[in-house]
Amino acid sequence: AQSVTQLDSQVPVFEEAPVELRCNYSSSVSVYLFWYVQYPNQGLQLLLKYLSGSTLVKSINGFEAEFNKSQTSFHLRKPSVHISDTAEYFCAVSKGNRDDKIIFGKGTRLHILP
Amino acid sequence: DGGITQSPKYLFRKEGQNVTLSCEQNLNHDAMYWYRQDPGQGLRLIYYSQIVNDFQKGDIAEGYSVSREKKESFPLTVTSAQKNPTAFYLCASSIAPGAHNEQFFGPGTRLTVL
Repeated sequence: AQSVTQLDSQVPVFEEAPVELRCNYSSSVSVYLFWYVQYPNQGLQLLLKYLSGSTLVKSINGFEAEFNKSQTSFHLRKPSVHISDTAEYFCAVSKGNRDDKIIFGKGTRLHILP
Repeated sequence: DGGITQSPKYLFRKEGQNVTLSCEQNLNHDAMYWYRQDPGQGLRLIYYSQIVNDFQKGDIAEGYSVSREKKESFPLTVTSAQKNPTAFYLCASSIAPGAHNEQFFGPGTRLTVL
């Protein structure tokens, strides 16, 4: 069975500092990988996804994630965070066939310190 | 504007009562999903529907029921059989079944059992 592990439940970081949110998955087959973001009291929004091709994927607001098959990881990074990045971030994995589901990690809460 | 609406935003219920959460989308999406979110647990899939008049159980379907009589609507009923119903409930939709398709989320309904 697939699973997703987000190693940190909370990450505090100073504004304008870099951040990395870690995500590891377990699967013996090809996977699709996702990062979703949830701002306070809202639903989730897709931040970026890896389906195939280039292992480095980027979002429009400066986040990027790299698919590392050998380490089964899909860590999310941003070189300089802003107060508006305060949110909870969810890593998710799927095998991607028509009948499969997305498995979500437990989330990492990003706290931006002034 | 296209999107997903969930109502009500907050819902209170007495123990032993059934309650129905609304989810409507005007995105013309075929697939719809219900998730439950608990603090520190991530999202867990309750039910999903790939097409009108069809739905499947997710990972935690016990104590819940759904219907999909119209493409744009996927209401969730929390029955008295659900032992711990207090949670944040999220509805989502995607253009077609298949985890490679982005899921769009509604703003959520917070259910509290008194």
